[in-house]
Amino acid sequence: QQQVKQSPQSLIVQKGGISIINCAYENTAFDYFPWYQQFPGKGPALLIAIRPDVSEKKEGRFTISFNKSAKQFSLHIMDSQPGDSATYFCAASKGNMLTFGGGTRLMVKP
Amino acid sequence: DAGVIQSPRHEVTEMGQEVTLRCKPISGHDYLFWYRQTMMRGLELLIYFNNNVPIDDSGMPEDRFSAKMPNASFSTLKIQPSEPRDSAVYFCASSLFPEDYEQYFGPGTRLTVT
Repeated sequence: QQQVKQSPQSLIVQKGGISIINCAYENTAFDYFPWYQQFPGKGPALLIAIRPDVSEKKEGRFTISFNKSAKQFSLHIMDSQPGDSATYFCAASKGNMLTFGGGTRLMVKP
Repeated sequence: DAGVIQSPRHEVTEMGQEVTLRCKPISGHDYLFWYRQTMMRGLELLIYFNNNVPIDDSGMPEDRFSAKMPNASFSTLKIQPSEPRDSAVYFCASSLFPEDYEQYFGPGTRLTVT
C-alpha cells in the first residue's frame, strides 16, 4: 500500500481557534480522500471527504482543501470546540481500499 | 440499524491461546473489512471481503491470522496461536461500495495477549 503521511501528530488549540491538519500522498491513482474522526473507545467515523476534481469542500465548520499538483490535502476546523477533541485520520483510496495516515490527536482547550 | 457489531469488546488471553473475534456488518452492506490499530503502526487493513468472498488479504501479518465470512451477516478473525505483539484494537467495518464510499466502523475489540 502507498503511504499517506499526516502531520502534526498532536495539536493543541484554544477554543474558537482554527485547527489545521495536513496530509500528503504519493499514489496519483488515488481518487477519494476522506477524513475520519475517532473518539476514545470508539471506531473511526467519516467526517468529510473530497474527490480530486474539486479544490475545496466545506461542511459546517469543517473544510477540506485539496492541492492535486502538490499531492496534498488538509482539514481545517473553524471555531474549534472542546467537543472536537479527538484523533483525526486522513485517508486515500483507489476504489474501496483505504490507506490511512498516522493520525493527529487534537485537543481543544476551553 | 444498530451499526456494525463486534464481540467481544475486550479480550485478554495468554500467549499461545486461540483468539476469535466476531463481527456483524450492517445489513445490506456487501463489503466487510478487518483493520488493526496500534500506536506504532496506526490503522492497517488486514483483509476485506466482497459478497462473503475474500478479495485482498495482503495485510494479514502471517499464517497465524485467518478470517472467514460464512454468510452475509457474520465474519470472524482468528489468531492461532496468539502472541504478545498481536495486542491491538481490531476493527471491523462494512460498506455499500460503490453506491457509498463510506466505511462504517464497529466499536472495536481490544485484544491483550500476555
